[in-house]
Amino acid sequence: ERVMTQSPATLSLSPGERATLSCRASQSVSSDLGWYQQKPGQAPRLLIYGASTRATGIPARFSGSGSGTEFTLTISSLQSEDFAVYYCQQYNNWPPTFGQGTKVEI
Amino acid sequence: QVQLQQWGAGLLKPSETLSLTCGVYGGSFNDEYWSWIRQPPGKGLEWIGEVRHAGSSNYSPSLKSRVIISVDTSKNQFSLRLTSVTAADTAVYYCARGLVRGVPEDWGQGTLVIVSS
Repeated sequence: ERVMTQSPATLSLSPGERATLSCRASQSVSSDLGWYQQKPGQAPRLLIYGASTRATGIPARFSGSGSGTEFTLTISSLQSEDFAVYYCQQYNNWPPTFGQGTKVEI
Repeated sequence: QVQLQQWGAGLLKPSETLSLTCGVYGGSFNDEYWSWIRQPPGKGLEWIGEVRHAGSSNYSPSLKSRVIISVDTSKNQFSLRLTSVTAADTAVYYCARGLVRGVPEDWGQGTLVIVSS
């Protein structure tokens, strides 16, 4: 089972700032990497798949990069609605596994 | 836009069987992947398993001995059964749909299942 490790655990930023979230896989997952946003009391929302492809309806301020074992989610300019928990997830190896999450807070 | 709505019992006793159903609205069962994922309170996400419309399924090894995911194409529904539950199975359970294996795009609203004696 691939172990996904996210850093930092918490990111404290202000609206308008740039957020950079990291995700590391215990072994290569190629580009089979997704990012999800979850707000309190809500289901996760797919942001990025294939490491860098935005899902339908996702704003351009969200971008993903990386391959192999190192991945990054960047939010270019934080909006108030972006403060949430973000999870990375690999689907290269069964079962799909998630990181422990990064909380982006004000 | 496909919408998923899930239902099932929210309070179980240890050793009972968890049973949840997810209805699919605004879409149909074709080549999608239909999944169940859970999240213990205050914790991260855990993949349970997935099924395709033809009935082929894959389960997480850690749960495989206790899980069955089935699909009813005539009702546009798929279901989760988890046997012999314990307190460790307390979680919010989500159903989800994806076009790519392992990539859930659309999610149900979640069902909190509590296992307590």
